[in-house]
Amino acid sequence: KAGVTQTPRYLIKTRGQQVTLSCSPISGHRSVSWYQQTPGQGLQFLFEYFSETQRNKGNFPGRFSGRQFSNSRSEMNVSTLELGDSALYLCASSLVRQSPEQYFGPGTRLTVT
Amino acid sequence: AQSVTQPDIHITVSEGASLELRCNYSYGATPYLFWYVQSPGQGLQLLLKYFSGDTLVQGIKGFEAEFKRSQSSFNLRKPSVHWSDAAEYFCAVYSNSGYALNFGKGTSLLVTP
Repeated sequence: KAGVTQTPRYLIKTRGQQVTLSCSPISGHRSVSWYQQTPGQGLQFLFEYFSETQRNKGNFPGRFSGRQFSNSRSEMNVSTLELGDSALYLCASSLVRQSPEQYFGPGTRLTVT
Repeated sequence: AQSVTQPDIHITVSEGASLELRCNYSYGATPYLFWYVQSPGQGLQLLLKYFSGDTLVQGIKGFEAEFKRSQSSFNLRKPSVHWSDAAEYFCAVYSNSGYALNFGKGTSLLVTP
């Protein structure tokens, strides 16, 4: 069974732009969670989507948003990029909503210049 | 507040030596506990997990961890380290209130010949 895939793997954007990251969960998994990893703050939870609805949200500004499609694929969008948004964005999939057992993708490395 | 502490930022061990990485958590209820490993430029790979039952859990790649409720600890161990074990290791607790993984800051493992 294929693992979690994330595209693109690397991205360079300019401050003020917006960006969309994509995540395809493991086949059969219906929940997708997003995490941000930075050297300073470590790994922080952004949000979780299940059945095309955001079920849970971390402490991030409204510039960070997401959505989930009927095939469980998810996208994450960051608007008005700031330098501090430079990070590795990790997607994790799980079989059901609010599950402790999460499987991570390789991440998208976003650099904001 | 719920938190996960990994006291050691960096650890260096010789190949073939034993390894113990420390993890302490602050959590009100019985926690779900995890250890993940991250190689450079990669996502998180689940090494092992503890939900309940036997407090000594076995994982992949020869790793094991022991849950000690009295010490609020979940230390990761390996009897003989291989050069390929060099990576970043993260301890995590699943929060049943936030429905997300809370991660420690990580321990970077260096393996010397």
